[in-house]
Amino acid sequence: EAGVTQFPSHSVIEKGQTVTLRCDPISGHDNLYWYRRVMGKEIKFLLHFVKESKQDESGMPNNRFLAERTGGTYSTLKVQPAELEDSGVYFCASSLSLGTGRKETQYFGPGTRLLVL
Amino acid sequence: DQQVKQNSPSLSVQEGRISILNCDYTNSMFDYFLWYKKYPAEGPTFLISISSIKDKNEDGRFTVFLNKSAKHLSLHIVPSQPGDSAVYFCAAAYNFNKFYFGSGTKLNVKP
Repeated sequence: EAGVTQFPSHSVIEKGQTVTLRCDPISGHDNLYWYRRVMGKEIKFLLHFVKESKQDESGMPNNRFLAERTGGTYSTLKVQPAELEDSGVYFCASSLSLGTGRKETQYFGPGTRLLVL
Repeated sequence: DQQVKQNSPSLSVQEGRISILNCDYTNSMFDYFLWYKKYPAEGPTFLISISSIKDKNEDGRFTVFLNKSAKHLSLHIVPSQPGDSAVYFCAAAYNFNKFYFGSGTKLNVKP
């Protein structure tokens, strides 16, 4: 079974440009999460989709970040315009809903390394 | 404010010995705790977890201990192997929603 995949693996852009990151979760996983790790610090939650709906977007830094999950399959995270402090590794994770609100643990993708110059 | 903390950024252990990785948390509402292992250029992979109703969970060479009164958990690896060298992240969750991660501890197991 394929794991969580992310594209691109690396992205180097200039300040002010736009970048779109893509995540394909494990097939059948309703829950999709975005996280970010900056400069060797903790991995921070950004947002959580259940199918196509945003369940929790409390971790989104500001309105330059836009996440979508049309159709409840893959998700995109767009940063527009990118700033220097957006550099980091963006991880996507997915998990299965087990019913009655329970979830399985989260499986992570390899991450997208974003560098804003 | 960081709710999960790993105060040791690195740990070096001899092969065959015990590795003990520590984690502290501040939110008493957390009811699930996990350890993830991460190799360079890869995403974190799930290692072991524990519910707040337990104080110990064992899986092969890996054991997680939870001390709720101290808001502390630890991961024991016995015996440590060179392939265990990686960054280990502690994570906590409330109602299994978003995970709060620590900043990681880099374990180096020397042959």
